[in-house]
Amino acid sequence: DGGITQSPKYLFRKEGQNVTLSCEQNLNHDAMYWYRQDPGQGLRLIYYSQIVNDFQKGDIAEGYSVSREKKESFPLTVTSAQKNPTAFYLCASSISASGELFFGEGSRLTVL
Amino acid sequence: GENVEQHPSTLSVQEGDSAVIKCTYSDSASNYFPWYKQELGKGPQLIIDIRSNVGEKKDQRIAVTLNKTAKHFSLHITETQPEDSAVYFCAASMDWKFYFGSGTKLNVKP
Repeated sequence: DGGITQSPKYLFRKEGQNVTLSCEQNLNHDAMYWYRQDPGQGLRLIYYSQIVNDFQKGDIAEGYSVSREKKESFPLTVTSAQKNPTAFYLCASSISASGELFFGEGSRLTVL
Repeated sequence: GENVEQHPSTLSVQEGDSAVIKCTYSDSASNYFPWYKQELGKGPQLIIDIRSNVGEKKDQRIAVTLNKTAKHFSLHITETQPEDSAVYFCAASMDWKFYFGSGTKLNVKP
């Protein structure tokens, strides 16, 4: 089955800790994205990558970092510099600049 | 950058009635407009999309219309069913970036 796999589904973190969210896709898509979703709000773009070894900041990149060493993988690190990290994080991929965006099932991060 | 506004934020309809959700966008360079349905605790799923060279698209009970001049597009769901209850998001896309509206929570009452 082709799709996007995010892990873990739920994650708890203490303040001051970095955490890494995994995103893997087997759709052979070039572009991958990370979005943040807060209750009652839309999806806000954190980072995106159009090609391996290249990525761009989205609208809310501060406190986050990414890497794109392989086409199928785009992990997101939530650093201790992110002031309000509790949120639902969604990874997505797309085959082209204006092609369908496929989403994973999300990772819910809670900072204790 | 692009700004997408979506209305209403909540919508309650009786089963069998129609539902309409409206979105506006600010950048005329946007050329792709998808609609997503998100169920609780899950990732959004594409339900219908439209490109800037098309004015209307239909798929069974759902349809989308696009007015490029006015920069607005709408989702129409006819003969609503309880399983249509979810949060719906519109989006506008250009140059590899997708900009989302704030979402509409649709409640279909049996």
